[in-house]
Amino acid sequence: SYVLTQPPSVSVAPGQTARITCGGNNIGSKSVHWYQQKPGQAPVLVVYDDSDRPSGIPERFSGSNSGNTATLTISRVEAGDEADYYCQVWDSSSDHRRVFGGGTKLTVL
Amino acid sequence: QLQLQESGPGLVKPSETLSLTCTVSGGSISSSSYYWGWIRQPPGKGLEWIGSIYYSGSTYYNPSLKSRVTISVDTSKNQFSLKLSSVTAADTAVYYCAREVVVITPGYYYYYGMDVWGQGTTVTVSS
Repeated sequence: SYVLTQPPSVSVAPGQTARITCGGNNIGSKSVHWYQQKPGQAPVLVVYDDSDRPSGIPERFSGSNSGNTATLTISRVEAGDEADYYCQVWDSSSDHRRVFGGGTKLTVL
Repeated sequence: QLQLQESGPGLVKPSETLSLTCTVSGGSISSSSYYWGWIRQPPGKGLEWIGSIYYSGSTYYNPSLKSRVTISVDTSKNQFSLKLSSVTAADTAVYYCAREVVVITPGYYYYYGMDVWGQGTTVTVSS
């Protein structure tokens, strides 16, 4: 089965840039989606199809995907960005399985 | 504005069947552009996909849960449902329903992620 690997935690100072990675075998050939989850709340889609943003998501959120690593980049980080972030793919080679990464806790220092 | 709302018992006994329903409002469950999924999150842990259903009844399940899961759709009520049998304490979690955006044409299937989520419902398995 397909596995997505995320760092458990990332820390960044306000105003700086946070990069959260998602590793997977040849993930660059897949479409990666990113979710933000704040405590006690449902996840929110912040990036889909590697690098597109849903309406209402700030331009500070961007994504890229190549080789074995996809990256969510948050520019000019704000205190309100502190949350858990999950990457997700659709594994077409495994009966349309949806796979989530283990999640990364973003701490704003 | 589309909204999803989970409902069902918050407490289930071990070995029994967990049953939840997701009611879709503000849009039709019968759209060809969406799958409808169930996702769960055990306390303090990450997200786990359970399974997904199309308005036609086509389903996909997580292989690790497939033997215990049934997802069904009722287009007349704009609802879809989850049944998880033989539950144990390990099934204690917050259960979410979500809309999944897809493009499906003959010979082509593309997936754009889960763009609308319910608020989640906590299910505890305990005697």
